[in-house]
Amino acid sequence: DAKTTQPPSMDCAEGRAANLPCNHSTISGNEYVYWYRQIHSQGPQYIIHGLKNNETNEMASLIITEDRKSSTLILPHATLRDTAVYYCIVRSATSNTGKLIFGQGTTLQVKP
Amino acid sequence: DAGITQSPRHKVTETGTPVTLRCHQTENHRYMYWYRQDPGHGLRLIHYSYGVKDTDKGEVSDGYSVSRSKTEDFLLTLESATSSQTSVYFCATGSIGTGSLSGPYFGPGTRLTVT
Repeated sequence: DAKTTQPPSMDCAEGRAANLPCNHSTISGNEYVYWYRQIHSQGPQYIIHGLKNNETNEMASLIITEDRKSSTLILPHATLRDTAVYYCIVRSATSNTGKLIFGQGTTLQVKP
Repeated sequence: DAGITQSPRHKVTETGTPVTLRCHQTENHRYMYWYRQDPGHGLRLIHYSYGVKDTDKGEVSDGYSVSRSKTEDFLLTLESATSSQTSVYFCATGSIGTGSLSGPYFGPGTRLTVT
């Protein structure tokens, strides 16, 4: 599976959009981009995933560049409860194990 | 999220004793995983299962064994616990095989301390 690069930390003002970048320049054509977050001491929470089209759900939007070498997770109106570590993970669609390999993630601090 | 429970949620044990952690799911997911999380190392995959009685090793499998005798349960055993196995253990389940499905989903975690 391709490796991802994320900034170690970011701040965001409460009520503003949080834009979390992820670089995955070695992604291959059959690999999906997954986003998880982990709020202190809790289990990681699935947020969203995508292949090449932009995706949106009730939690967030995922924007994937046309060349698929990078993506951005957008939390449209960040709240204090969105403070967490956010993980960007690339996983092969042809994997028969479904396993995820986590990196260090981005610590997002939402400030009042 | 998937109905995933882990037991016990907290455990303190002594070096050299065997320990078994249980993960139970109610979603009939095919895939189950055990991760551990330590400061400075993030989440690391220990073992995973892709079906009943089908398991394989992850990144940090030494000192651990697993068993899956039925779809809903995935057991992680530390045959002889060591202090280096003090960690938070997370179970996850998913229905991902090929293609695009959401998840895996994670349980609440078990905090294990080996003294």
